[in-house]
Amino acid sequence: QKEVEQDPGPLSVPEGAIVSLNCTYSNSAFQYFMWYRQYSRKGPELLMYTYSSGNKEDGRFTAQVDKSSKYISLFIRDSQPSDSATYLCAMTLNSGNTPLVFGKGTRLSVIA
Amino acid sequence: EPEVTQTPSHQVTQMGQEVILRCVPISNHLYFYWYRQILGQKVEFLVSFYNNEISEKSEIFDDQFSVERPDGSNFTLKIRSTKLEDSAMYFCASRSRDRNNEQFFGPGTRLTVL
Repeated sequence: QKEVEQDPGPLSVPEGAIVSLNCTYSNSAFQYFMWYRQYSRKGPELLMYTYSSGNKEDGRFTAQVDKSSKYISLFIRDSQPSDSATYLCAMTLNSGNTPLVFGKGTRLSVIA
Repeated sequence: EPEVTQTPSHQVTQMGQEVILRCVPISNHLYFYWYRQILGQKVEFLVSFYNNEISEKSEIFDDQFSVERPDGSNFTLKIRSTKLEDSAMYFCASRSRDRNNEQFFGPGTRLTVL
C-alpha cells in the first residue's frame, strides 16, 4: 500500500466558515480520489469522487485535485455544526478492483 | 436509499475464539470489500472479492482470515483464532460494476478481543 498523508487536526471553525481539508500523496500512479465523511463510530460515507485534475463541485462541497503536486483538497462552504465529523481522503490506483488507500482523517468541529 | 448493513454492531470475544462478521452488500453490487480501522488509526484494506473469489488481499489478511459469500445476499469475514490485536472496527464495502471505485461502506462491526 502507498502512503497518503493527512493532517489529523483537530480543526475547529465557527459556523459559516470556509473549511479547507487537504491530503498529499507520494505515488503518482494514484488516479482516483475520494472524500469520505465519518461520524463517530460510524462507517465512512462517500462525499465526493474525482478523477481528473481540477475542481468538482457538489452543493457546499468542492473537491480539488492537483496531480502534478500530488495534492488534493476538500472545501466546505458555509460550514454547519452538522458538518462536524472526521473527513477521510482516499485514493486508488486505477479503475479496476483495486483497494482504497486512506489518509488518517481530519477531525472537524464546526461551532455554532 | 439502499445501504450496506452489517451485523453484529459489536462483538466481544475471548482470545483464540472464532468470530464471523456478517455483511449484506447493496443488492445490485458485485464487488465486495473488507476494511478495518484500529482505534485512532487509518482505515486499512483487508480483502476484495468478486465473482466468488478473492481478487486481492493485504498482508494483514493472513491464514487466520477467510471470506465467503454463502448465498446471494450475505458476505462474511471469519477470523479463526482471534488475537488481541484483531480488536478494531471492521467495515464491509461494496460497489457496482459501472461505478468504478465508488465504494459504499456499512456502519461497521466493533470487534473487541479480550
